[in-house]
Amino acid sequence: GQQVMQIPQYQHVQEGEDFTTYCNSSTTLSNIQWYKQRPGGHPVFLIQLVKSGEVKKQKRLTFQFGEAKKNSSLHITATQTTDVGTYFCAGKAYSGAGSYQLTFGKGTKLSVIP
Amino acid sequence: DSGVTQTPKHLITATGQRVTLRCSPRSGDLSVYWYQQSLDQGLQFLIQYYNGEERAKGNILERFSAQQFPDLHSELNLSSLELGDSALYFCASSEISGGSTGELFFGEGSRLTVL
Repeated sequence: GQQVMQIPQYQHVQEGEDFTTYCNSSTTLSNIQWYKQRPGGHPVFLIQLVKSGEVKKQKRLTFQFGEAKKNSSLHITATQTTDVGTYFCAGKAYSGAGSYQLTFGKGTKLSVIP
Repeated sequence: DSGVTQTPKHLITATGQRVTLRCSPRSGDLSVYWYQQSLDQGLQFLIQYYNGEERAKGNILERFSAQQFPDLHSELNLSSLELGDSALYFCASSEISGGSTGELFFGEGSRLTVL
């Protein structure tokens, strides 16, 4: 079945440093979604990328979808303590019989040292 | 507030017991998903329902079952509980109809502790 690998599993950065998490799928994706889960909280949708090579920005966050639609990345510029949390990618792929499946990566847990 | 309501928030029980977790999706959402999150683990997809019917199945144990009722709320039943079933169980709903998976709105989760 479809697998979504996400690296790194953990990342500790000094406040102000940049941060990147990478996501790779074993199959071509229809789209990819990114979620953020704050400590003790629930996952919250950040963004969805659909087109090959798409790049989207949300303030200090930059999301990219690979040309082959099998990989994606999230880059945060000049991290702040409010960025702390676990970032998940979720790849949507056709699973047959008119259905799509959303498979989550294991997430990257970001710690920011003030 | 995502609009997805899960009860109970916390549950402590003993091995061998059975529990039921309940989820009310956002108003108008027809799809409900259940995920399991163990300590420092990702989100393991368990099962999806769409408008009362099972749509997709993930790594759900035979001891677990779920259903979606006509009013669209869903219940996840966990039986013959084991220590390893201790986890955070999330329900999520989606507004997208049919087989397409759109943005998921997660509830706050039900934390199950099996002693």
